[in-house]
Amino acid sequence: QKEVEQNSGPLSVPEGAIASLNCTYSDRGSQSFFWYRQYSGKSPELIMFIYSNGDKEDGRFTAQLNKASQYVSLLIRDSQPSDSATYLCAVNPGSNYQLIWGAGTKLIIKP
Amino acid sequence: DAGITQSPRHKVTETGTPVTLRCHQTENHRYMYWYRQDPGHGLRLIHYSYGVKDTDKGEVSDGYSVSRSKTEDFLLTLESATSSQTSVYFCAIRPSGRAGEQFFGPGTRLTVL
Repeated sequence: QKEVEQNSGPLSVPEGAIASLNCTYSDRGSQSFFWYRQYSGKSPELIMFIYSNGDKEDGRFTAQLNKASQYVSLLIRDSQPSDSATYLCAVNPGSNYQLIWGAGTKLIIKP
Repeated sequence: DAGITQSPRHKVTETGTPVTLRCHQTENHRYMYWYRQDPGHGLRLIHYSYGVKDTDKGEVSDGYSVSRSKTEDFLLTLESATSSQTSVYFCAIRPSGRAGEQFFGPGTRLTVL
């Protein structure tokens, strides 16, 4: 059974600090990795994705992949209260149609 | 906004009744998905479609059926609703050539009494 695991949290981070979110995946052949943000009562929205060939930075967000240890990280620099949300990690194991989803980590940014 | 709407947005029904949820998209995407989301479980795939009349089961398909007679509409039917199907249901689309990038509708909150 292919799995993606995340710490459910909540992860509490002071405003202005770096928030670090992790997820681990079981399928070593996974090709691409996705981070979605979900505000309470809303639908998930894609914020970052990376492929197996490297890390990616986009503004305050950085996604990093550690293939040897099979985990992917999302770093949020200069955290803002508006970053408070649940962050879902999803992995594409190579299938065109399906993602394997983690259960999400709740992030709270304290002013 | 990927032009995805879901209807109804909220529904309360009784055990044993059939329920149909509708997902409508305006951009002719080929791939569409139905998920349910429950606390502690994240998103679980119910069914997906890769074209008109082309559908397949996901990991939690028991008790659900789908139909896609037009590109823009993907219907999810609970044949005989049970309390365990109380959940938030999300529809999503995936643009062709962009594996893994999914865009979600606003969701339907379903309560089965």
